Amino acid sequence: QTVVAQEPSLTVSPGGTVTLTCASSTGAVTGGYYPNWIQQKPGQAPRALIYGTNLRHSWTPARFSGSLLGGKAALTLSGVQPEDEAKYYCLLYYAGAWVFGGGTELTVL
Amino acid sequence: EVQLVQSGAEVKKPGESLTISCKGSGYSFTTSWIGWVRQMPGKGLEWMGIIYPGDSDTRYNPSFQGLVTISADKSITTAFLQWSSLKASDTAMYYCARVISAAGIRWLDSWGQGTLVTVSS
Repeated sequence: QTVVAQEPSLTVSPGGTVTLTCASSTGAVTGGYYPNWIQQKPGQAPRALIYGTNLRHSWTPARFSGSLLGGKAALTLSGVQPEDEAKYYCLLYYAGAWVFGGGTELTVL
Repeated sequence: EVQLVQSGAEVKKPGESLTISCKGSGYSFTTSWIGWVRQMPGKGLEWMGIIYPGDSDTRYNPSFQGLVTISADKSITTAFLQWSSLKASDTAMYYCARVISAAGIRWLDSWGQGTLVTVSS
């Protein structure tokens, strides 16, 4: 069974920069996995942030950026705001099936 | 504006059947996929399966195959998630999401507001 691994939790100071990563048990993550990043705040429905590795949706602030880094998908938040405190999930596509990572709880402190 | 509106919260007993729905509007319902996602209390997101309403092509996560049925009625632009015999372990929030496949990439964009299903005797 395919496992997508993310850091369980990270802490960042307001105004700082943080990178979340997403690794696949099958090997290096490439663009062919169409990495998507999803944000979920407590009590809210998930919200799509990034797709196709590094493409922002129209509603995604420019401080969110996606990339591939060392064989993983990555989500970087630059100039973090208090409202960015949330859980972030990556989602990878495996030839007909999608698999979520376990999510990273981001604390802004 | 793309919208996915899900049916309301349900409280059921073990063994009962249930169908929840996800109505799409503001886009071509038959040319995008609809995925279903489970979130158990205090847990992460789990991909359940996906349907292409245009031809009802359906793909299940093996973990959910045989446990639920995904369907769609394009005449009313609505997708469904169905259980024939609920268990207490089906208690969760269920979300639908639009999935697009175009220009050589695939992505999720809009999400429904979620349907809370509680199964308890």
